Amino acid sequence: EPEVTQTPSHQVTQMGQEVILRCVPISNHLYFYWYRQILGQKVEFLVSFYNNEISEKSEIFDDQFSVERPDGSNFTLKIRSTKLEDSAMYFCASSGMTDYGYTFGSGTRLTVV
Amino acid sequence: AQSVTQLDSHVSVSEGTPVLLRCNYSSSYSPSLFWYVQHPNKGLQLLLKYTSAATLVKGINGFEAEFKKSETSFHLTKPSAHMSDAAEYFCVVSEVDTGRRALTFGSGTRLQVQP
Repeated sequence: EPEVTQTPSHQVTQMGQEVILRCVPISNHLYFYWYRQILGQKVEFLVSFYNNEISEKSEIFDDQFSVERPDGSNFTLKIRSTKLEDSAMYFCASSGMTDYGYTFGSGTRLTVV
Repeated sequence: AQSVTQLDSHVSVSEGTPVLLRCNYSSSYSPSLFWYVQHPNKGLQLLLKYTSAATLVKGINGFEAEFKKSETSFHLTKPSAHMSDAAEYFCVVSEVDTGRRALTFGSGTRLQVQP
């Protein structure tokens, strides 16, 4: 069964540093997403990406965040200057044109110290 | 705006007994509804989805859910719990008719299965 792959599984970074989280979506999917889950809280939508541009974003997705599809397979989330409150599990997901049931990756646990 | 309420943060059942995880939703449009499961240190796996077809939806691993518009509910059930069902379950809503693809998650229900 096709999978969404996220790397790394864990990342520790110092406050103020830039971090890039990487994802390989399912190859024939057209929509890509990032969600996050702060420990003990709900899973929250960050951003969706289609046709090489952001199609939707939440209030959380401010100027410190950016997404990119640098080649035909990877989808990345960059956090420019990490804060302690960015510590969370970040999930990448992808979906087809008409499929509203996403496939999620297993997540990257980001710890900002 | 869409929202989801999972009525129980923890549910504990004995192996072989029925499972009921409750979910109520709020949506201004015709919603799509999903249940996802998260096993420890694993990603979010889609159990089942409702997208305006049959109101009784069957999913993987023997789970099913019934969409009840009059009650704004989408409860998840399974006739007989298995130890491997122990996990966190999320009820999720999406307002497909608006063209938005953002999913709104409930706060989750942790299912424990006792031997």
